[in-house]
Amino acid sequence: QVQLVESGGGLVKPGGSLRLSCAASGFTFSDYYMSWIRQAPGKGLEWVSYISSSGSTIYYADSVKGRFTISRDNAKNSLYLQMNSLRAEDTAVYYCARDGAAAGVSPWGQGTLVTVSS
Amino acid sequence: EIVMTQSPATLSVSPGERATLSCRASQSVSSNLAWYQQKPGQAPRLLIYGASTRATGIPARFSGSGSGTEFTLTISSLQSEDFAVYYCQQYNNWPLYTFGQGTKLEIK
Repeated sequence: QVQLVESGGGLVKPGGSLRLSCAASGFTFSDYYMSWIRQAPGKGLEWVSYISSSGSTIYYADSVKGRFTISRDNAKNSLYLQMNSLRAEDTAVYYCARDGAAAGVSPWGQGTLVTVSS
Repeated sequence: EIVMTQSPATLSVSPGERATLSCRASQSVSSNLAWYQQKPGQAPRLLIYGASTRATGIPARFSGSGSGTEFTLTISSLQSEDFAVYYCQQYNNWPLYTFGQGTKLEIK
């Protein structure tokens, strides 16, 4: 079945870096757009970044622009999020999700928790 | 940025009754609106897209309506597994989505 599994979360100090990974299976990864969406503890959902199926088109939320970099490796069926200059307000569960455009975002991975604290 | 506002923040309904959740957009999003369900400790699940189309595997008791700036998610005859947080999402300026703040549906 279609599955997305994130990894790479953890505790990092302010100003530090972290790289998240998302392993996709059960579908032709290279055919699909992908997004990262995050959720701060006890809060709502915030879209973070988008990448087209080929990787040629990328967008970021203003809150992470210049600090985060999204990428993908279609040969490895994997999505990545490089996060630099991390701030306390970046603390959240990060979900990777298959972006169906007008068909909605589905499925979502189980999420990986990133905690930025000294 | 399109701001999505959901109401109420919390809705208390008895099992077997109908629940009606609202979502308002700060400007027209046409029918580019989706609804998601999130249970504690789980990832969100897509329920509705295109304002009224149920996603694969979603029971018929879930229905969506509306267009422009006003949208409604209706759950008829609530089951125990339906108590969760529900989010609306606009994708009119896809892929720069925005989500509502969520409505918590709790057991009365």
